[in-house]
Amino acid sequence: GAGVSQSPSNKVTEKGKDVELRCDPISGHTALYWYRQRLGQGLEFLIYFQGNSAPDKSGLPSDRFSAERTGESVSTLTIQRTQQEDSAVYLCASSPQGADNQPQHFGDGTRLSIL
Amino acid sequence: DQQVKQNSPSLSVQEGRISILNCDYTNSMFDYFLWYKKYPAEGPTFLISISSIKDKNEDGRFTVFLNKSAKHLSLHIVPSQPGDSAVYFCAASEQWGKLIFGQGTELSVKP
Repeated sequence: GAGVSQSPSNKVTEKGKDVELRCDPISGHTALYWYRQRLGQGLEFLIYFQGNSAPDKSGLPSDRFSAERTGESVSTLTIQRTQQEDSAVYLCASSPQGADNQPQHFGDGTRLSIL
Repeated sequence: DQQVKQNSPSLSVQEGRISILNCDYTNSMFDYFLWYKKYPAEGPTFLISISSIKDKNEDGRFTVFLNKSAKHLSLHIVPSQPGDSAVYFCAASEQWGKLIFGQGTELSVKP
């Protein structure tokens, strides 16, 4: 399909391991966002990309979290030395230009469980 | 500090009746608001939006009302259908289109 695609859909890993989450946005969308949803909570913003640059990283919770985007397309979110509090659903969204009146299109998320 | 709040975690209504979901915000600089619907194990789906220059926007069975002086918005679904059962998130758009979400309200529409 032509929607936002995320992989893996589920990831279970041991505390202390590194994980990498992938997002394929809608083709041609220059704006890409990562959000996190903890159990019973709303979505919290992590990082925003415009093209391959990240003008807003204000939501990354610690320096264990990083993200990159290449080719104005695929983005990866990396969590190093995972902790149990990192368990959440990580959602990626894209929009055509990142204007504040453009709805974002979301992927189905990666459910991350840290044992 | 929650800038967008949905104070009702759940709502149950009968099929055919009106569902009213509420949302409050604290930042008067917000000028664009959105409602998303989310089914389990799926990403949120955009439902309807409203700009702060309007006080109402309608799309089929869905209407969003905005009261800027009260910093309050609401989503009305009429008539409610069982397929509307989902979690509904209110969101405000900030710079770059970054979304600030409420905690969500789980709507259950009973046949």
